[in-house]
Amino acid sequence: SQELEQSPQSLIVQEGKNLTINCTSSKTLYGLYWYKQKYGEGLIFLMMLQKGGEEKSHEKITAKLDEKKQQSSLHITASQPSHAGIYLCGADIGYALNFGKGTSLLVTP
Amino acid sequence: KAGVTQTPRYLIKTRGQQVTLSCSPISGHRSVSWYQQTPGQGLQFLFEYFSETQRNKGNFPGRFSGRQFSNSRSEMNVSTLELGDSALYLCASSQMTSGTDTQYFGPGTRLTVL
Repeated sequence: SQELEQSPQSLIVQEGKNLTINCTSSKTLYGLYWYKQKYGEGLIFLMMLQKGGEEKSHEKITAKLDEKKQQSSLHITASQPSHAGIYLCGADIGYALNFGKGTSLLVTP
Repeated sequence: KAGVTQTPRYLIKTRGQQVTLSCSPISGHRSVSWYQQTPGQGLQFLFEYFSETQRNKGNFPGRFSGRQFSNSRSEMNVSTLELGDSALYLCASSQMTSGTDTQYFGPGTRLTVL
């Protein structure tokens, strides 16, 4: 089975600081999804990456999939309190998504 | 378009009871997937339905079942509830006519088993 490891598990950053979350797969990634979850709520789709070396941006969030397609990173520039939540990466396994355990982000004033 | 809706949002049941959760997908989406989220195991895939047929199933006991109706709405049922079934149950819909398409999630149903 494909295992996804996210690091760090939790992150506390000061508002305005940049941060990076990593997602490492035990197997080649054929599709990697990033979602954000507010505590106890549903998942909000952020971005999807498929090609090695691909990079996508939305507002202040940038996600990349490395050339070997076994690792993805999510970078937030100039963090804001609205960025707080749990970030989850999910690997496309053909019929479902296999998720990492998530990274909890807290942004302090 | 309206997003994925799930009802009820919260449920409290006791051990041994059964429960039915409902999911209405985004209009035009024919695939509905269900996931269970717990603090210990994270998000785990339960099953996926497309055109009223279960196409894929995760590693859960037979107490977990589901169905999909002709309008793509889906229900999942858990019988003989156990304490460990307490979780956030998330439904996701996609067009998913072939391969994998982006899944859009509902707000979830929080099930507490006492």
